[in-house]
Amino acid sequence: NAGVTQTPKFQVLKTGQSMTLQCAQDMNHNSMYWYRQDPGMGLRLIYYSASEGTTDKGEVPNGYNVSRLNKREFSLRLESAAPSQTSVYFCASSRTSNQPQHFGDGTRLSIL
Amino acid sequence: GNSVTQMEGPVTLSEEAFLTINCTYTATGYPSLFWYVQYPGEGLQLLLKATKADDKGSNKGFEATYRKETTSFHLEKGSVQVSDSAVYFCALSDQRNTDKLIFGTGTRLQVFP
Repeated sequence: NAGVTQTPKFQVLKTGQSMTLQCAQDMNHNSMYWYRQDPGMGLRLIYYSASEGTTDKGEVPNGYNVSRLNKREFSLRLESAAPSQTSVYFCASSRTSNQPQHFGDGTRLSIL
Repeated sequence: GNSVTQMEGPVTLSEEAFLTINCTYTATGYPSLFWYVQYPGEGLQLLLKATKADDKGSNKGFEATYRKETTSFHLEKGSVQVSDSAVYFCALSDQRNTDKLIFGTGTRLQVFP
């Protein structure tokens, strides 16, 4: 029962470097999401994909891009990392957009 | 816009104590309401949910009742255990745009033996 798998679990980058966070789900879910979690701010939605082939901006999309590669995979890319993007990133999926979301274990990203 | 407000933590309790974590919301229409739990080093897990007014969600001894008149969804448990130590998030889904969950800032619960 893998559920939602995120890689890597930890990463340290230098300012200006690029990086792609990977997410895959094996539950045949249609909708997938990327959040960031910062102290005192809860989770904020970066981008989401309601179905394969579609993506939409969330609350804090600036500095990020996403790709819904297929139904299983939804990647998040930082083209030019900035210290303000230091955070814990969570991927989630749900069967449809109005069903409960299942979360991965997170990627802890530090940008120096 | 829609928002969720949770009590600030940490909440510190002894084992077997009664737990209440307050959650209030602002939303138009009739959102669905959720409580998620995050154990150390893990992602969020759905704890319980309620989809309409006066519904009571329950799971693992936790309960929350959807109160539209007070726009609240307070989490309660009659007797907490050390293993309940975690961060608890209240969330709502926007009825008009059910793709989006709006989370509160989370409340850390610490239970001591």
